Amino acid sequence: EPEVTQTPSHQVTQMGQEVILRCVPISNHLYFYWYRQILGQKVEFLVSFYNNEISEKSEIFDDQFSVERPDGSNFTLKIRSTKLEDSAMYFCASSDTPGTGNEQFFGPGTRLTVL
Amino acid sequence: SQQGEEDPQALSIQEGENATMNCSYKTSINNLQWYRQNSGRGLVHLILIRSNEREKHSGRLRVTLDTSKKSSSLLITASRAADTASYFCATVSFTGGGNKLTFGTGTQLKVEL
Repeated sequence: EPEVTQTPSHQVTQMGQEVILRCVPISNHLYFYWYRQILGQKVEFLVSFYNNEISEKSEIFDDQFSVERPDGSNFTLKIRSTKLEDSAMYFCASSDTPGTGNEQFFGPGTRLTVL
Repeated sequence: SQQGEEDPQALSIQEGENATMNCSYKTSINNLQWYRQNSGRGLVHLILIRSNEREKHSGRLRVTLDTSKKSSSLLITASRAADTASYFCATVSFTGGGNKLTFGTGTQLKVEL
C-alpha cells in the first residue's frame, strides 16, 4: 500500500540554524501539505501546495518558512533560522484531488527539537 | 471555542464497551473527517462524512453529522485495547486550492482490559 514517508524521523538543531525536512508524498497525488503539532497541542495547518505553488498558508507560515518540490518525488519544508518555539512534530500529507472532499494521507512525522 | 473542539478530552473505558466522542465546529464545512493518532505517531484517516450526509458506518465506527448544530460524533463499538489512541476531528472547507484540515483538540481514549 502506498504511503507518505518523511526523513529524518528526529532532527536536533541549534537555535538560528536552518533545517530542511523532507517528504515523499504518494506518487500520483497532486496536493501536498505540511502540518505541525507542538507537544500536547492540536495539529495545526502550515501550508498547502499544488501545481508547484503555495495554494494556502497559515499565519504560522511566515518568511522563515518555505516549501519546495525540487523534483518529481520530494516535497521539502525549510525553516531558515529556527527558534525554540519551532520545536514540534512536523507532518507531511498528500491527497489526490480536492474535489468534493478528500482524504489526506499523513507521513509518520519528523520530530524537530531546537536547542 | 475553537474550530473543532472535541469532548471529552479524555475517556477511559473497559474493553468491549462503546466509546463516543463528540466534536463541535464553528464555520460551514465541506466535509468532516476523523483521524486517529497513536502516541508519538502519525495520523491515520478513519472516516470522512460529507456535509450532505447525516450518518456513515465503517466497520466498528459510526459517525454522525448535524450541520444545524455544527457537531459530529464518533462511536466506536465493542472497543479493544488496540483502540487506545487520540482521536481528532478535522473539518474541511473547500477553498479550491487544496483542502486544509482544521483539527480539533482531540480526545484521548484509553481502553483497559
